[in-house]
Amino acid sequence: GENVEQHPSTLSVQEGDSAVIKCTYSDSASNYFPWYKQELGKGPQLIIDIRSNVGEKKDQRIAVTLNKTAKHFSLHITETQPEDSAVYFCAASRDGGSQGNLIFGKGTKLSVKP
Amino acid sequence: DVKVTQSSRYLVKRTGEKVFLECVQDMDHENMFWYRQDPGLGLRLIYFSYDVKMKEKGDIPEGYSVSREKKERFSLILESASTNQTSMYLCASHELSSGNTIYFGEGSWLTVV
Repeated sequence: GENVEQHPSTLSVQEGDSAVIKCTYSDSASNYFPWYKQELGKGPQLIIDIRSNVGEKKDQRIAVTLNKTAKHFSLHITETQPEDSAVYFCAASRDGGSQGNLIFGKGTKLSVKP
Repeated sequence: DVKVTQSSRYLVKRTGEKVFLECVQDMDHENMFWYRQDPGLGLRLIYFSYDVKMKEKGDIPEGYSVSREKKERFSLILESASTNQTSMYLCASHELSSGNTIYFGEGSWLTVV
């Protein structure tokens, strides 16, 4: 069935370093790939997303890359700060991507040490 | 801003009890979802609804049901709670015309004893 694999499950970096989280998906029909950040005690919040007709998207210190041929996409955070510490989830769309139905990865707990 | 409100943040229920988790969104979104979040398992889809009175099973519907009598409200029901349903439950809403963002509530922590 449809699946999204996310690695690593935990990631610890020093403040100022870069962090990279990788995901692979199985459904060739997936065309929308969001990333969510979940802080302790809160619901996940969208931080960046990318569609299948784009290879890369950047928003300040955050970037996402997509390789549709290989079915993998990655989140890159540069110049990490302690407030980047959170759990990050990748997701891929189901049902054509227009109804909000997503399949999520298992999450990456990012710790940024001052 | 879109607001998705889960009325109960923390609940403790006994095995066998019927449990209702309520979710309300204020942006007139068509699509609503219930997810379950467990450590190491990520977010798993329980049920979803694309319209009033409509419901569809997600990936792990066993032991759950839902109700969507009004567009803004989507309720998750545990007919007979069991200890393996102890978890964090997240409600979400979505509307393509509002952008493709899924908006989550803050979560409901349910402990079944």
